[in-house]
Amino acid sequence: NAGVTQTPKFQVLKTGQSMTLQCAQDMNHNSMYWYRQDPGMGLRLIYYSASEGTTDKGEVPNGYNVSRLNKREFSLRLESAAPSQTSVYFCASSGAGIPYEQYFGPGTRLTVT
Amino acid sequence: AQRVTQPEKLLSVFKGAPVELKCNYSYSGSPELFWYVQYSRQRLQLLLRHISRESIKGFTADLNKGETSFHLKKPFAQEEDSAMYYCALYGYQKVTFGTGTKLQVIP
Repeated sequence: NAGVTQTPKFQVLKTGQSMTLQCAQDMNHNSMYWYRQDPGMGLRLIYYSASEGTTDKGEVPNGYNVSRLNKREFSLRLESAAPSQTSVYFCASSGAGIPYEQYFGPGTRLTVT
Repeated sequence: AQRVTQPEKLLSVFKGAPVELKCNYSYSGSPELFWYVQYSRQRLQLLLRHISRESIKGFTADLNKGETSFHLKKPFAQEEDSAMYYCALYGYQKVTFGTGTKLQVIP
């Protein structure tokens, strides 16, 4: 099993450009999450999806949108990138049996200039 | 609202010295608490959870409800313990992470 995969690994955007970060998991998990990791701020939840067909805002949702395409895939979209969105983005998933044990992807390092 | 506080951004210890990474939480219900670790160039992974009362890689963590703490401890630090450590709390269908503590073990 690949676990949680993310694409791309690195991305540089100019202010105002848009892009979608892709995440997929092959563990048949119900819940999926998007976090951003910034120095001194730890991991902050952007959006999460408790099950297929549902999404909810986390701590820092502004400037982002998400799509739970199916049970496997959960994408994060930046419609108009801003320098404040420069960060490392992590996708995670968790199973129904143990909803609090999260499995993380390798991360996407995004720079917005 | 739930909150996790890790007061130290960086903790430097010598190899063989004891380690204690502090974590305090705020939560109105009965908490589910965890420690995650991120080694250099690796993804975050679960280290241990309080309900298991387990010891992983020599680390233990005890939940103290009176002090609302879940400190991570290891009696003798090893160089391979150098990593970023995150305390996390599960509640209200989501996990809240602390800001993390970077542990640096000096040879």
